[in-house]
Amino acid sequence: QVQLQQWGAGLLKPSETLSLTCAVYGGSFSGYYWSWIRQPPGKGLEWIGEINRSGNTNYNPSLKSRVTISVDTSKNQFSLKLTSVTAADTAVYYCARGQVDTAMITAYFDYWGQGTLVTVSS
Amino acid sequence: SYDLTQPPSVSVSPGQTATITCSGDKLGDKYACWYQQKPGQSPVLVIYQDNKRPSGIPERFSGSNSGNTATLTISGTQAMDEADYYCQAWDSSTGVVFGGGTKLTVL
Repeated sequence: QVQLQQWGAGLLKPSETLSLTCAVYGGSFSGYYWSWIRQPPGKGLEWIGEINRSGNTNYNPSLKSRVTISVDTSKNQFSLKLTSVTAADTAVYYCARGQVDTAMITAYFDYWGQGTLVTVSS
Repeated sequence: SYDLTQPPSVSVSPGQTATITCSGDKLGDKYACWYQQKPGQSPVLVIYQDNKRPSGIPERFSGSNSGNTATLTISGTQAMDEADYYCQAWDSSTGVVFGGGTKLTVL
């Protein structure tokens, strides 16, 4: 059974860097895109970006200038860094496994982490 | 950018059929999927590749996608189906895109 377990700092001050890590247990790390997705309180889901085992990344254009997603294949982990955070970055952040279709795009997410609430406040 | 539009809320009586729509330009040319999210929980995939159900998802959940609209249908809706539902697709300009979500109320 695939499990995604995530962790990271939950309280940040404006201008700091958000850092989260997601570990993948069970199943293969290869053949998928691994994504970060966030959800502001009371609002909808927003895709942040993704990475595969080879380190190929795709980012949401609206966040691209502040986002870095990296992978550590030796530990089956991937990480998110979001720089210069503001109150607008307050959200529950999820990691998720993306199933890739024949066009090599992420078609859907079949496994999700438990979510981490990150609050940005001075 | 590519946008997916969902109605903010849908209400249904127990045992009746709930229909939730998701609209986007030429959405029928893409694959759509649907997630169910209950308060305080991570989203759960209920439909993928327009109309496929993951293992463990009840048969009352079904999907379709044609033209500019994808549809999630819940037949014989139960109280446990009350949740937020999100559609999702992929677009070459934006990457992964989610709809704004629909709150399904079973009353």
